[in-house]
Amino acid sequence: EVQLVESGGGLVKPGGSLRLSCAASDFTFIDAWMNWVRQAPGKGLEWVGRIRSRSHGGTSEYAAPVKGRFTISRDDSKNTLYVQMNSLKIEDTAVYYCITGGIVRAWGQGTLVTVSS
Amino acid sequence: EIVLTQSPGTLSLSPGERATLSCRASQSVDSNYLAWHQQKPGQAPRLLIYAASSRATGIPDRISGSGSGTDFTLTISRLEPEDSAVYYCQQYDSSFGQGTKLEIK
Repeated sequence: EVQLVESGGGLVKPGGSLRLSCAASDFTFIDAWMNWVRQAPGKGLEWVGRIRSRSHGGTSEYAAPVKGRFTISRDDSKNTLYVQMNSLKIEDTAVYYCITGGIVRAWGQGTLVTVSS
Repeated sequence: EIVLTQSPGTLSLSPGERATLSCRASQSVDSNYLAWHQQKPGQAPRLLIYAASSRATGIPDRISGSGSGTDFTLTISRLEPEDSAVYYCQQYDSSFGQGTKLEIK
């Protein structure tokens, strides 16, 4: 069964940085496109960005609200997805989920990021 | 960027009734790349439908998806109390709709 476990969330001040991780198992991670999705408290799901597999160039795209501040990366040797979040804003407060690209084979439980002074 | 718009925002129905949820795209979406997810309070979402009309593992056949181009529909027949949730459409590797909240009276 596909498993995704997010970690690295916490409380950070506006303007600060945080790196989230997503440990993947039970599927061929190296071939998978991966996405980050977030959900602000009481709000809907918001796509954050995606990274292609290395065989498709390994490039990434981002939603407009995070472009230039967030960077998605992957370590295929560790089956792990990352998102480096810089210049954090209060409106980045959310639960962050990683999901597989294409057909979403699993959702993790997410990790909560709180941006507050 | 394709924008997905869901309607209605909230739907309130009784057990045994049928729910019809709509997802409209701002541009044509390849139906192979349209999914529906269900999220219950306090839980992570879960996949219901992929490729517009294929049920995910374990999803009962009273839940079905249809549509093509810019108009997609999620239909839930014979509503049960457990169907109370928020439902999201999604274009693969991209945007989500804003969600439809389904309440079972």
